[in-house]
Amino acid sequence: EIVMTQSPATLSVSPGERATLSCRASQSVSDNLAWYQQKPGQAPRLLIYGAFNRATGIPARFSGSGFGTEFTLTIRSLQSEDFAVYYCQQYNNWPPITFGPGTKLDFK
Amino acid sequence: QVQLVQSGAEVKKPGASVKVSCQISEYTLSDLSIHWVRQAPGKGLEWMGGSDPEDGKTVYAQKFQGRVTMTEDTSTDTAYMELNSLRSEDTAVYYCATTLAPLTLNFDYWGQGTLVTVSS
Repeated sequence: EIVMTQSPATLSVSPGERATLSCRASQSVSDNLAWYQQKPGQAPRLLIYGAFNRATGIPARFSGSGFGTEFTLTIRSLQSEDFAVYYCQQYNNWPPITFGPGTKLDFK
Repeated sequence: QVQLVQSGAEVKKPGASVKVSCQISEYTLSDLSIHWVRQAPGKGLEWMGGSDPEDGKTVYAQKFQGRVTMTEDTSTDTAYMELNSLRSEDTAVYYCATTLAPLTLNFDYWGQGTLVTVSS
């Protein structure tokens, strides 16, 4: 099973600043890596797939990068609606599909 | 775009079973690969299983093998997830999820979630 880790667990950032979230896989997942945003009481929302492709309707301030075992989600110029929990997910070697434990992005 | 509407919240006793439904609209179920993901209170996302987009076979996470059954009724475009021998640790929100992209397993469509509470 591929284990996904995310850092930091919590990231405190001010609106307008840039946030950089990291995700690491225990073995290579190629570019089969997705990022999700989840707000309280809501289902996850797909942001990035294939490591760097923005999903439909996702603003350009969200960008993904990385390959293999190291991945980054960058959010430029944070908006108030961006404060949420972010999960990475690998779908390269499955079963199982695995998620990271999440990074909570909150107000500084 | 596809819409997934799940059944309502359930309260079950330990040892019981629960069956959660996921009604598909705007698309036919046979064209989709449905997966189930759960989230315990205050915890992260946990994949339970789903259909392989390459061959349509249902694959379960080893953790749930023998205790979960995922089925589909193509006549009503409804997917089901049944979990048996419930214990308190199964208290969670259960989501169905899918994608319209071929041969991939990132999920851009999710149901609203079904809270299952297991309590004596």
